[in-house]
Amino acid sequence: GAVVSQHPSRVICKSGTSVKIECRSLDFQATTMFWYRQFPKQSLMLMATSNEGSKATYEQGVEKDKFLINHASLTLSTLTVTSAHPEDSSFYICSARDPQGSDGYTFGSGTRLTVV
Amino acid sequence: AQSVAQPEDQVNVAEGNPLTVKCTYSVSGNPYLFWYVQYPNRGLQFLLKYITGDNLVKGSYGFEAEFNKSQTSFHLKKPSALVSDSALYFCAVGTDSWGKLQFGAGTQVVVTP
Repeated sequence: GAVVSQHPSRVICKSGTSVKIECRSLDFQATTMFWYRQFPKQSLMLMATSNEGSKATYEQGVEKDKFLINHASLTLSTLTVTSAHPEDSSFYICSARDPQGSDGYTFGSGTRLTVV
Repeated sequence: AQSVAQPEDQVNVAEGNPLTVKCTYSVSGNPYLFWYVQYPNRGLQFLLKYITGDNLVKGSYGFEAEFNKSQTSFHLKKPSALVSDSALYFCAVGTDSWGKLQFGAGTQVVVTP
């Protein structure tokens, strides 16, 4: 089935630095990708929707200048956490829309970000 | 606007007993309904979805769910639970535009031997 590869699986960074998370669709073209944030034992909170070749649409309350999303190709979307702070520590998950696939939406394996 | 409710934070069941995880939804238009399972520090694994067709949907790992339009419910069921089914389960709703999904709060399933 469809696969979305998300990297890195876990990253530790220092406060003030930036971290980039990549999601690649391996065997299908992902015109739309969704980025979620998940706190421990809580639900997924949608951060933004990215469409290939256009600006991402951010959910209310999500800082677009802090969470930079780029979707420059049909197989790659990136989320960059800029000037990271400890409160940005979280589990980030991407998802690609794949209506032709059996699942409909395919999720990456997630990235555990820890800011120290 | 779309919303999903999973009324139970946790469901406890003995191995071999039936497992039910409840989900109700609210959406304008035709709902697309999904169930996912998540193990610690992992992404979401797809279990099943309802788009159209038979109200009873069979999915992965012996799970099934029944779409009930009148009760706006999509409860997940498994006839005989396994200890390995212990995980966090999410119900999600979308629409026929294949836009963003709205997730429920999640239900922690604990299956005891």
